[in-house]
Amino acid sequence: EAQVTQNPRYLITVTGKKLTVTCSQNMNHEYMSWYRQDPGLGLRQIYYSMNVEVTDKGDVPEGYKVSRKEKRNFPLILESPSPNQTSLYFCASSIGTANTEAFFGQGTRLTVV
Amino acid sequence: GENVEQHPSTLSVQEGDSAVIKCTYSDSASNYFPWYKQELGKRPQLIIDIRSNVGEKKDQRIAVTLNKTAKHFSLHITETQPEDSAVYFCARRKDSSYKLIFGSGTRLLVRP
Repeated sequence: EAQVTQNPRYLITVTGKKLTVTCSQNMNHEYMSWYRQDPGLGLRQIYYSMNVEVTDKGDVPEGYKVSRKEKRNFPLILESPSPNQTSLYFCASSIGTANTEAFFGQGTRLTVV
Repeated sequence: GENVEQHPSTLSVQEGDSAVIKCTYSDSASNYFPWYKQELGKRPQLIIDIRSNVGEKKDQRIAVTLNKTAKHFSLHITETQPEDSAVYFCARRKDSSYKLIFGSGTRLLVRP
């Protein structure tokens, strides 16, 4: 089954404790991205990757890091989480051409206390 | 600018009525306009999309219209049903980028 898989689904952590949210897709998609969803703000892009070893900042990259060592995986790293990073996070992937559907993962609800 | 303005933020309709959600943009280079539906606790999923060389597209009870001159596009849902209740996001993309820019979402409630 074609899918984008995120882990964990839910996470509660403390300020400053490094964490990683994993994202994996099995569709051989070139393009992957991370979004955060906050009430009234829609989906805002954090980082994206055009292909292996090619990443770039989205609209809200501060406090986040990513890596793309393999085509299927695109982890999101929070080196020192803060409460303002409490949010619902989605990973998405799409074929590396324009005008194609973005497939989303199930989401990760992160709470930083 | 880059943003997509989406209205209304909430919409409540009686079952069987129609619902219309409108999005406006300013970047004339935009050429792809998808709509995503997000049910409660679920991931966003594509329901319909339209490309800039088309003015209207229909798929059963849903349709999208695009006015490139006025730079706005709309989602139309006819004969609404309770299962249409969800948050709907519009988005846009331009040729030179794979980046999707989303609207802020519309929470649609269909009352039985």
